[in-house]
Amino acid sequence: SYELTQPLSVSVALGQTARITCGGNNIGSKNVHWYQQKPGQAPVLVIYRDSNRPSGIPERFSGSNSGNTATLTISRAQAGDEADYYCQVWDSSSVVFGGGTKLTVL
Amino acid sequence: QVQLQESGPGLVKPSQTLSLTCTVSGGSISSGSYYWSWIRQPAGKGLEWIGRIYTSGSTNYNPSLKSRVTISVDTSKNQFSLKLSSVTAADTAVYYCARTVVPAVWFDPWGQGTLVTVSS
Repeated sequence: SYELTQPLSVSVALGQTARITCGGNNIGSKNVHWYQQKPGQAPVLVIYRDSNRPSGIPERFSGSNSGNTATLTISRAQAGDEADYYCQVWDSSSVVFGGGTKLTVL
Repeated sequence: QVQLQESGPGLVKPSQTLSLTCTVSGGSISSGSYYWSWIRQPAGKGLEWIGRIYTSGSTNYNPSLKSRVTISVDTSKNQFSLKLSSVTAADTAVYYCARTVVPAVWFDPWGQGTLVTVSS
């Protein structure tokens, strides 16, 4: 079955740029979606189809996808961006989530 | 805008069947080309997709849970439901329902989630 690999944790200084990766075999050929989950809350979609932002999501959030790695980039990181982030794809008629990355804003 | 709300027992005994309902408000469950999904998350762990249903009744299930899962839809009530049989402690989790956008398959929005504990 298809697997997505994310780093367990990423740290970023306040105001700097955070990059969270999602690795998978030829993931560049798939549509990748990203979710933000804050403690005690449901996940929220922040990027869909690799690089599209839903309405209400700040422009600071962007995404890219090529080869074997998809990346969620958070520019000018804020304290409120601290959360778990999950990537997700559709493969072989099933949904696959990455294991999640905890973003810490220092 | 569309909102989803899970409901059902918070405690289920081992070997019994877990049953949850998701009520959709702010729009018809039958409008648009959407599927409707269940996703769960054990405490401190990641997300696991359980399955999805279209209003025609067409379903897809996670292969690892397929033998125990049934998802159904009631368009007259704007609801869809989950049944998970033969539960064990490993099925203890927060269960979310979510609208599923196709064909690229992403989830938006999600319900707030409901905690189901499997314990005697």
